[in-house]
Amino acid sequence: EVLLLESGGGLVQPGGSLRLSCAASGFNFNTYAMTWVRHSPGKGLQWVSGISGSGTATYYADSVKGRFTMTRDNSRNTLYLQMTNLRADDTAVYYCAKDRGPYFGEPYFDSWGQGTLVTVSS
Amino acid sequence: QSALTQPPSVSGSPGQSLTISCTGTRSDVGGYNRVSWFHQAPGTAPKLLIYEVTDRPSGVPDRFSGSRSGNTASLTISGLQAEDGGDYYCSSYSTSMTIIFGGGTKVTVL
Repeated sequence: EVLLLESGGGLVQPGGSLRLSCAASGFNFNTYAMTWVRHSPGKGLQWVSGISGSGTATYYADSVKGRFTMTRDNSRNTLYLQMTNLRADDTAVYYCAKDRGPYFGEPYFDSWGQGTLVTVSS
Repeated sequence: QSALTQPPSVSGSPGQSLTISCTGTRSDVGGYNRVSWFHQAPGTAPKLLIYEVTDRPSGVPDRFSGSRSGNTASLTISGLQAEDGGDYYCSSYSTSMTIIFGGGTKVTVL
């Protein structure tokens, strides 16, 4: 069974930083691209970033480019999202999701974690 | 990276059919066979219903079907059931290796 478990969310002040983690199990982690998607009540779902199975290629939404960095440690079956210079509009539940192959490039997200809440507020 | 356009809400009675539209451009919905639909029940993670415009992952009932005409994709739910309520999102690959979602459609089963 595929399991994805996010952690690292919390309350942070504007301009602050936070690192999210996503622990994966139940599949060959290094052979699947992964994605972060966030959900805020007023905006619905928003794709944040994607990474190839090898970790050599990363992709970002314009709204987070230059502020967020997505990485993975295939030896630990763990995905990361380093978030810096956080803004109020980054407030959301952040989900990690599994793709269907090693390359990022389509919204085939067949397994999702339960999400971790990030609140940016002073 | 503008969001795809979906109706904010639709409703139907049990047993009826309803269709949700998702309008984009030639740079996303109309340009690639990489359109998906997700269902998100309150308080839960999204679930993949349709991928590559028309295909269903294993385990998704055939009451759910996808189609596309030009720059507009559609999700049809046939034989509406109470558990079909919730939010539905379309999503598409877009140029420059990005993914975009629609604004979401709230489905109410009357």
